Amino acid sequence: GENVEQHPSTLSVQEGDSAVIKCTYSDSASNYFPWYKQELGKRPQLIIDIRSNVGEKKDQRIAVTLNKTAKHFSLHITETQPEDSAVYFCAAYSGAGSYQLTFGKGTKLSVIP
Amino acid sequence: SQTIHQWPATLVQPVGSPLSLECTVEGTSNPNLYWYRQAAGRGLQLLFYSVGIGQISSEVPQNLSASRPQDRQFILSSKKLLLSDSGFYLCAWRGQPGAGNTIYFGEGSWLTVV
Repeated sequence: GENVEQHPSTLSVQEGDSAVIKCTYSDSASNYFPWYKQELGKRPQLIIDIRSNVGEKKDQRIAVTLNKTAKHFSLHITETQPEDSAVYFCAAYSGAGSYQLTFGKGTKLSVIP
Repeated sequence: SQTIHQWPATLVQPVGSPLSLECTVEGTSNPNLYWYRQAAGRGLQLLFYSVGIGQISSEVPQNLSASRPQDRQFILSSKKLLLSDSGFYLCAWRGQPGAGNTIYFGEGSWLTVV
């Protein structure tokens, strides 16, 4: 089955700096890669996703890049703000009849004012 | 639009007591349904998923069970809770393959076993 590794597990940045979270996956058939943000005590919410036919996607201060050859994808947050502090999860979907996403273990991002 | 409801939001249960968490989805038909558990400060552990009424797949052997009595209803149960069952339980749904791959989570249920 699919295996998703996520790094780092914790990340602290100064407000205004950029944050990068990286994930690798094992199944070359995976074709959909969402990122979720989970604030303390709340449910994970989708913030951005990318499909395997695209190399990069941006939404304001958030971007995701995908390298299919290397089987890794990354989340980039620019001009970080205190409200970006949360746990971020990456995930991979294998398709081909698969019914579940495989999640990384999460990255706790702290943005220091 | 689709919505997912999960209840109760919080509960405190003694060891050995039963458990029932319920989840319903509105605005879609024949969704894939999931139960995840999240221990404090930890990742998302898939417990069960269902691709249709009465079809349940278990990912982790434990004292929990799941049922899907109706198309958009998913129930998580236990006959006797353990201390280790404490955590944040999340119901989630996704459309059938080909209809979009994003998983959407319910608000979650905080379970404390004492």
